[in-house]
Amino acid sequence: QQPVQSPQAVILREGEDAVINCSSSKALYSVHWYRQKHGEAPVFLMILLKGGEQKGHEKISASFNEKKQQSSLYLTASQLSYSGTYFCGTGYNNNDMRFGAGTRLTVKP
Amino acid sequence: DGGITQSPKYLFRKEGQNVTLSCEQNLNHDAMYWYRQDPGQGLRLIYYSQIVNDFQKGDIAEGYSVSREKKESFPLTVTSAQKNPTAFYLCASRRTALGEKLFFGSGTQLSVL
Repeated sequence: QQPVQSPQAVILREGEDAVINCSSSKALYSVHWYRQKHGEAPVFLMILLKGGEQKGHEKISASFNEKKQQSSLYLTASQLSYSGTYFCGTGYNNNDMRFGAGTRLTVKP
Repeated sequence: DGGITQSPKYLFRKEGQNVTLSCEQNLNHDAMYWYRQDPGQGLRLIYYSQIVNDFQKGDIAEGYSVSREKKESFPLTVTSAQKNPTAFYLCASRRTALGEKLFFGSGTQLSVL
């Protein structure tokens, strides 16, 4: 009962784009995205609440395909500060919140 | 300022010992969560609570116990039954309405002596 993320890791050069995917075998009603730097708490990026919804946060945006039970996070023109581990999370029962295993993103100069 | 506080930042456990990790929030949130994170791994749900005096097991509850006697507090006890307790523990809280984000504490690193 956890969402599945892919890829596990991505290495980029500054200015390149990346896509991180999150899928679930069970119905998704909402998807959360967070970024975590090493040794720190995760930081909220965005929540998508319904199918087809897309949201943006600076050069980071996301989409949510309710029918396919998938969400994707798009990082455009990546910056060094985008490095970290990205997690998607969703709830299945009674206000639980479960996360995927994470995608480690490294942006190099 | 409102927030969620975890203490201590670092904790050491001896063999056979129970230890308790503190989590306090002054955000008036109903729901609280405990996650375990192993190096390079994701966040795994240990326990969560929606209201005072009620909590549910997550995916890795064995060897852990919690209480929710006050809305503000959700302490986690790592018991001697947890044979591999070394990990980074994160507490979080949020309002229970759909679409509310999680607020995380700064975490506790637990190590075994």
